[in-house]
Amino acid sequence: DQQVKQNSPSLSVQEGRISILNCDYTNSMFDYFLWYKKYPAEGPTFLISISSIKDKNEDGRFTVFLNKSAKHLSLHIVPSQPGDSAVYFCAASREGYKLSFGAGTTVTVRA
Amino acid sequence: DAMVIQNPRYQVTQFGKPVTLSCSQTLNHNVMYWYQQKSSQAPKLLFHYYDKDFNNEADTPDNFQSRRPNTSFCFLDIRSPGLGDAAMYLCATSRGGANYGYTFGSGTRLTVV
Repeated sequence: DQQVKQNSPSLSVQEGRISILNCDYTNSMFDYFLWYKKYPAEGPTFLISISSIKDKNEDGRFTVFLNKSAKHLSLHIVPSQPGDSAVYFCAASREGYKLSFGAGTTVTVRA
Repeated sequence: DAMVIQNPRYQVTQFGKPVTLSCSQTLNHNVMYWYQQKSSQAPKLLFHYYDKDFNNEADTPDNFQSRRPNTSFCFLDIRSPGLGDAAMYLCATSRGGANYGYTFGSGTRLTVV
């Protein structure tokens, strides 16, 4: 039973524009949310996270928004750069440390 | 550099022939995880070790076993691989709480022939 869902398998955006990645979850017990970035032939790397007590967290070009009532989070990348082309995984934490992942969204930044 | 290393990067095994995948870490993290990821699907947690305590997910097939002989190493054993076990296997570590995030290895791509 998939508890974290990324319904857009791919996203294409022009360089300099905003990329918006969406993620929905079903388990109301999740209390911590993370985004990971993955390049081909490499393992996922941590990008940004947010606690359930917040609704926004910003780190440079990356901002994560959390809407608990809708069980929805999003990742904004502004401005998008060619190096941002990768697969982005949304993940959620339960029981303090185990992560459940979405299927990923492949982002392609066009020059 | 502190890291998580998975060996081998690519593994081809015969149907039904036992295979072992390896993961080592220099981060001294107390939690180690094994995930299975099939093409275009979410990584699926198979099991994890919290220190020496083994925790199996309810839907992990009995065909999959794990060993953690010490803090640094963790192994994934597939006793009788089937064609459906072909996947990317990801090892990850964390410092107990997910608030620290995971550190992943580069994965092992398993092919069953």
